[in-house]
Amino acid sequence: AQRVTQPEKLLSVFKGAPVELKCNYSYSGSPELFWYVQYSRQRLQLLLRHISRESIKGFTADLNKGETSFHLKKPFAQEEDSAMYYCALTLSGGYNKLIFGAGTRLAVHP
Amino acid sequence: GAVVSQHPSWVICKSGTSVKIECRSLDFQATTMFWYRQFPKQSLMLMATSNEGSKATYEQGVEKDKFLINHASLTLSTLTVTSAHPEDSSFYICSAPPLAGGPTDTQYFGPGTRLTVL
Repeated sequence: AQRVTQPEKLLSVFKGAPVELKCNYSYSGSPELFWYVQYSRQRLQLLLRHISRESIKGFTADLNKGETSFHLKKPFAQEEDSAMYYCALTLSGGYNKLIFGAGTRLAVHP
Repeated sequence: GAVVSQHPSWVICKSGTSVKIECRSLDFQATTMFWYRQFPKQSLMLMATSNEGSKATYEQGVEKDKFLINHASLTLSTLTVTSAHPEDSSFYICSAPPLAGGPTDTQYFGPGTRLTVL
């Protein structure tokens, strides 16, 4: 079965510290992976997708098929990065359903 | 950008009553919409895929007679929680990928509807 695992419920760091939010997945095929973010009192929104290989708000994520991981990283955390972060997987291209991880709350302290 | 709205944003109802939640794509069309359920401090769990002009596809363990889905047009999907009970209290969120334009894997999420069943 397809599954997305985010082992950390909470990640607490100080401003300027590096951040790595872990995500592992299980899927026998070729997944498409995403990171979604939900800021306080706002709706869920896409942060980045692995196929774009882009950096958004300083965040990057690399798909490692060998380790079945898609960890989200940022070298210097900012207070405005505090939010819930969800790793998600879709089973194939196109308009397919998303399978979400449990989410990690990132708290960046001044 | 593409916007998805939900109505109502919150609803309180008595046990045994039915509640309808609307999901609208405001500035784009969507043949498919997704309904999720989110318990406090937990992740989003996909309930069903709403398909315009055809029956919804339900995830394993989701009662289709309990959670009725209707996708009557390219901009509207409704979720009706029938004979609601306190255990149905949750945050219900919909999402929609645009029919045309933008990356094919893009989904836009609604703000959610909080249902409380007394």
